[in-house]
Amino acid sequence: DAKTTQPTSMDCAEGRAANLPCNHSTISGNEYVYWYRQIHSQGPQYIIHGLKNNETNEMASLIITEDRKSSTLILPHATLRDTAVYYCIVRVRGGADGLTFGKGTHLIIQP
Amino acid sequence: GAVVSQHPSWVICKSGTSVKIECRSLDFQATTMFWYRQFPKQSLMLMATSNEGSKATYEQGVEKDKFLINHASLTLSTLTVTSAHPEDSSFYICSAFGTSGIRTYNEQFFGPGTRLTVL
Repeated sequence: DAKTTQPTSMDCAEGRAANLPCNHSTISGNEYVYWYRQIHSQGPQYIIHGLKNNETNEMASLIITEDRKSSTLILPHATLRDTAVYYCIVRVRGGADGLTFGKGTHLIIQP
Repeated sequence: GAVVSQHPSWVICKSGTSVKIECRSLDFQATTMFWYRQFPKQSLMLMATSNEGSKATYEQGVEKDKFLINHASLTLSTLTVTSAHPEDSSFYICSAFGTSGIRTYNEQFFGPGTRLTVL
């Protein structure tokens, strides 16, 4: 799986959009970008994934650059409950391997 | 999304005893389940992969005789920590993907984790 780089931590004001960047410059053509988050002392939660088109679901939006070397996860209206560590993972869709977690971004939502 | 449960959510045991942790897929059939371990202030580390009906595949450095994994059905996998010691104290998390009817899940769904403390 390709390696990803994320900022260690970020702050965002409650109610504002939280934009979390991820660099994956060595991504392969058949690899997807997945985002998970882990709230303190809980198991990770799947958020969204995409290949090259922008994706949106009830939790977030995923913007992938045209060259696919980076992406941004957008939480449109951050709440205090969105405080968590966010992991960007690149992998082949449907791969039977476990996930390789980096250090992720610790997003802190400020009241 | 699909739901994965774990039991117990936390356990405290004496050194030398064995502890079993269960991981269940509640609304889908988990063809593959994974076990992770997370030490304080660290990221999740994959321990092993299990496919229903076959032996688990362990990551390098994980002792298969110490961490026994059984995936006897499409909805249940168990992790038994044998002869637990204080250094085995950690947060153990399982994940799974599989199918529900005609739908195939390509993303992994995680359980809530089990906090193991060995005294």
